[in-house]
Amino acid sequence: GAVVSQHPSRVICKSGTSVKIECRSLDFQATTMFWYRQFPKQSLMLMATSNEGSKATYEQGVEKDKFLINHASLTLSTLTVTSAHPEDSSFYICSARGQEGGGTDTQYFGPGTRLTVL
Amino acid sequence: EDKVVQSPLSLVVHEGDTVTLNCSYEVTNFRSLLWYKQEKKAPTFLFMLTSSGIEKKSGRLSSILDKKELFSILNITATQTGDSAVYLCAGRGVYQKVTFGTGTKLQVIP
Repeated sequence: GAVVSQHPSRVICKSGTSVKIECRSLDFQATTMFWYRQFPKQSLMLMATSNEGSKATYEQGVEKDKFLINHASLTLSTLTVTSAHPEDSSFYICSARGQEGGGTDTQYFGPGTRLTVL
Repeated sequence: EDKVVQSPLSLVVHEGDTVTLNCSYEVTNFRSLLWYKQEKKAPTFLFMLTSSGIEKKSGRLSSILDKKELFSILNITATQTGDSAVYLCAGRGVYQKVTFGTGTKLQVIP
């Protein structure tokens, strides 16, 4: 079945540095990728939606200059947290939507990336 | 590799019916099982289950975990059209790594 990977799975960085998180669809072409942030009590917040070759659509309240999203190919999207601060520490999850073998559109989630900013 | 499998993939029921959604998991260093409801944007959190055999309820929704059989179910009684959504199950392991299933698409027709 379709698989979405994220790299790195965990990252610890100093305040003020930038961190890049990759999201890859491994065996299908993802026309759309989503980036979520997980908050305490398990709630997921959609940060942005990205379509290959076009600018990401950010949700209200998400700073696009701070959370840079690039969807350069049908299998790769990246989220860069620029000038990270401790309040950016969170679990970031991506998902990819595409068609596997011509079947129904399905959304596949990545395993998440735990970001800790010191 | 961690794996979460949900069944059925899709389901169509009439209003008032009761549905049971299934989730089986293989998660290393399992910590908890999560259920979400996804309608449009971000999935909405429903339940977190950590202990076997203890049912969690919220209105018409309930869920239970069987850690021996690595299985969980989500029940919805007296379904309404507003229950139409994709229901996602996720297993959480060490370092809060989360593995999602592909979801069950539920359609409730009047």
